[in-house]
Amino acid sequence: DTGVSQDPRHKITKRGQNVTFRCDPISEHNRLYWYRQTLGQGPEFLTYFQNEAQLEKSRLLSDRFSAERPKGSFSTLEIQRTEQGDSAMYLCASSLRTGVGYTFGSGTRLTVV
Amino acid sequence: GENVEQHPSTLSVQEGDSAVIKCTYSDSASNYFPWYKQELGKRPQLIIDIRSNVGEKKDQRIAVTLNKTAKHFSLHITETQPEDSAVYFCAASSSNDYKLSFGAGTTVTVRA
Repeated sequence: DTGVSQDPRHKITKRGQNVTFRCDPISEHNRLYWYRQTLGQGPEFLTYFQNEAQLEKSRLLSDRFSAERPKGSFSTLEIQRTEQGDSAMYLCASSLRTGVGYTFGSGTRLTVV
Repeated sequence: GENVEQHPSTLSVQEGDSAVIKCTYSDSASNYFPWYKQELGKRPQLIIDIRSNVGEKKDQRIAVTLNKTAKHFSLHITETQPEDSAVYFCAASSSNDYKLSFGAGTTVTVRA
């Protein structure tokens, strides 16, 4: 287990379709974060989990977005009825509760056509 | 919520010169300030971080300074090399949640 893994790396979907991304954190990390990054901008916080509990959701996360982390291990981020404005890089990060080892995955680049 | 501003947006330096990037934050509760380097198409990678109980931290050619009173922190890269060319992001968070608020980024170009 050498880092945070995200799958898929790239996703092209038609507007209106649903998509789901997966993140596998570093195994001993109990915190997991999702961020969204658009071209030329810094990552924006979406939501985070401590173990299986979702502790905070950003206002950026509309009702079409849902995230889960069953059993406190991997996490999924689902976007329903995708829109062109959802096109972005979706980054996952994980850390210990102390913040030590805060590490980003390589991201899933979503393109909505 | 936290608002982080970062300047400049682009920075071009001659190889061997120093580069300085400055950030300000708004939330006095923020106490953790990491800096990330992101190369094109790659993940943000932590290069250095500082907590609010420390005023300065150095790691080889990279240093970060923090002024809690003024709510600003800076990244200093000395003896720049071509491989330092990348986008650099500052961020701020509290140790309660480590939810990062990022600056808009600085594109650093090191001219050979």
